[in-house]
Amino acid sequence: AQKITQTQPGMFVQEKEAVTLDCTYDTSDQSYGLFWYKQPSSGEMIFLIYQGSYDEQNATEGRYSLNFQKARKSANLVISASQLGDSAMYFCAMIGGATNKLIFGTGTLLAVQP
Amino acid sequence: DTEVTQTPKHLVMGMTNKKSLKCEQHMGHRAMYWYKQKAKKPPELMFVYSYEKLSINESVPSRFSPECPNSSLLNLHLHALQPEDSALYLCASSQGRGFAETQYFGPGTRLLVL
Repeated sequence: AQKITQTQPGMFVQEKEAVTLDCTYDTSDQSYGLFWYKQPSSGEMIFLIYQGSYDEQNATEGRYSLNFQKARKSANLVISASQLGDSAMYFCAMIGGATNKLIFGTGTLLAVQP
Repeated sequence: DTEVTQTPKHLVMGMTNKKSLKCEQHMGHRAMYWYKQKAKKPPELMFVYSYEKLSINESVPSRFSPECPNSSLLNLHLHALQPEDSALYLCASSQGRGFAETQYFGPGTRLLVL
C-alpha cells in the first residue's frame, strides 16, 4: 500500500522568505512519481512540480524546488521568496507502479504574512 | 495549454433531483478522473476512465453514474443524492500512456445537496 504523510497542518512564513513543506512517503514500488499541488481557497488544484523515482537531480520549477531524498523517502517542497499569493493549501501526492491512482497527503495550509 | 474546464461552478440540488456535472479537456489526454473533496480533506478518487473505458470505480454508490461520451468529455450524473454528498467535485486528465503522469485538474464544481 502507498501512503503520503504531511506532518505540518499549518505553516506561517514572512513575505520574501523561503519555506519548506515536509512530505514523506511509503511505497514498495520501485517506479513511482511524486507531485506537489497548490489549492487556493477558490478550489482549483494547481500542479506545481513533479519528481520521478529514477530522477537523480532534484526537480525545480521557477520558485519551487523539490528536495528529493530517496533513502529517507522524503520529497519536501521548497518555495523561495514567498509571495502573498502563495497562501494556499499544499498537497503532496504520489502515483506508484502500474496504477494511475493519485494518493494525496492531508495537506499543509501555508499563510504568507506581509 | 493545460486547461480542464468544468461546469457548473456551483450546484444546489434537492435529494430527489437529477443533475449532471460536465468536464472537458482539449489536451489530447486519454485518461480522465473524478475526485470528491470534502472540506479540509484531500481529494478522494471516485472514477477513472482510460481510453473512454471505465478502468477504476472506487466503490462509489450507484447514485453517482459516470459517463465518457468521447475522449474529451467526462460527465458525472447525479441522482437521489444525500446531504453528505455535498462536496467539491474535481475532474482531472492525464496522457494515459504510463505511470506517474501529471494529472491536470479543473476548477471544480461545488455541490450542495439540500
